[in-house]
Amino acid sequence: AQRVTQPEKLLSVFKGAPVELKCNYSYSGSPELFWYVQYSRQRLQLLLRHISRESIKGFTADLNKGETSFHLKKPFAQEEDSAMYYCALSRPTGNQFYFGTGTSLTVIP
Amino acid sequence: DAGVIQSPRHEVTEMGQEVTLRCKPISGHDYLFWYRQTMMRGLELLIYFNNNVPIDDSGMPEDRFSAKMPNASFSTLKIQPSEPRDSAVYFCASSLGFASPLHFGNGTRLTVT
Repeated sequence: AQRVTQPEKLLSVFKGAPVELKCNYSYSGSPELFWYVQYSRQRLQLLLRHISRESIKGFTADLNKGETSFHLKKPFAQEEDSAMYYCALSRPTGNQFYFGTGTSLTVIP
Repeated sequence: DAGVIQSPRHEVTEMGQEVTLRCKPISGHDYLFWYRQTMMRGLELLIYFNNNVPIDDSGMPEDRFSAKMPNASFSTLKIQPSEPRDSAVYFCASSLGFASPLHFGNGTRLTVT
């Protein structure tokens, strides 16, 4: 069965420090992976998806099929990055999106 | 486009009462999803529709939960009777096409006392 694991519920880093939010998945096929973000008092929104291979707001995420991971990284955290981050998996068959339990990131000024 | 619109934003009700949550997807989107968000479990998929037809309702926790999509611009999630453990934030999301990114509404925060 497909599953998305985000091992850290809470993560705090200082402004300017690197940040990495971990995401591991289990799926036998080739899933699509996404990162969604929810800023305070805003709706959940797409941050990036692995097939786009783009950097959004300084964040990048590389799909590592060997380690079944899709960690989200940013070299220098900013205060406005404080938010709830969800890793999500979409199967090629069926249109369900499976989300991890989320990681709450706090960037300390 | 105003995005996905959910109502009400907040709902407080007593145990045993019927609760109806509403969602208007983005115009033209052919997929609609209902999610429940809790601290313990994060975001759980309850049910999703494609072209107004329910495709997968395996996430619906119990028979107390039901969802309908009478047309392309409206969906409801109903809980009858409600229980305190149903307290959560319920999100509606829509998407255009298969495996496309989801667009979420602001959610409905449900509190059952």
